Amino acid sequence: GENVEQHPSTLSVQEGDSAVIKCTYSDSASNYFPWYKQELGKRPQLIIDIRSNVGEKKDQRIAVTLNKTAKHFSLHITETQPEDSAVYFCAAAYSGYSTLTFGKGTMLLVSP
Amino acid sequence: DAGITQSPRHKVTETGTPVTLRCHQTENHRYMYWYRQDPGHGLRLIHYSYGVKDTDKGEVSDGYSVSRSKTEDFLLTLESATSSQTSVYFCATGGGNTGELFFGEGSRLTVL
Repeated sequence: GENVEQHPSTLSVQEGDSAVIKCTYSDSASNYFPWYKQELGKRPQLIIDIRSNVGEKKDQRIAVTLNKTAKHFSLHITETQPEDSAVYFCAAAYSGYSTLTFGKGTMLLVSP
Repeated sequence: DAGITQSPRHKVTETGTPVTLRCHQTENHRYMYWYRQDPGHGLRLIHYSYGVKDTDKGEVSDGYSVSRSKTEDFLLTLESATSSQTSVYFCATGGGNTGELFFGEGSRLTVL
């Protein structure tokens, strides 16, 4: 089955800095890569996703890049704010054929 | 929030007792999932359902069973709870063509 590795496990940045979280996956058939944000004590919520037919997707301060050859994808957050502090999960799936496999999560701490 | 409610939200029980967690959705989503979340392990799939009476195992299904007799309800049962099943359990729906999962608020289970 699919295996998703996520790094780093914790990331501390100053407000205004950029943050990058990286994930690798093992199944070359995977074609759907979402990112979920989980604030403390809350449920995970989708913040952005990318499919294998594109290499990059942006939504305001967040962006995701995908390198299918290397089987890795990354989340980029620019101009970080304290409210970005949360646990971020990457995931991968072969859309329509397999369930999502999640990485173990990255705790992002943004200091004012 | 895709109209997903979990019950109970908190439960403390003793080793060897049966426990049932309920997930109820109002969005008529075909797919429903049960995940457990543990520190250092991220979100791991226990069981999922792709229709009424259609269920399948996830990566950590041992010790758990599920049932789905109606589209809106997905039950997770621990036949004989063990301390290793102390966790936060999340129900999720969706997973169709869009791929997005909608999570419930979680159920915190403590097995003493």
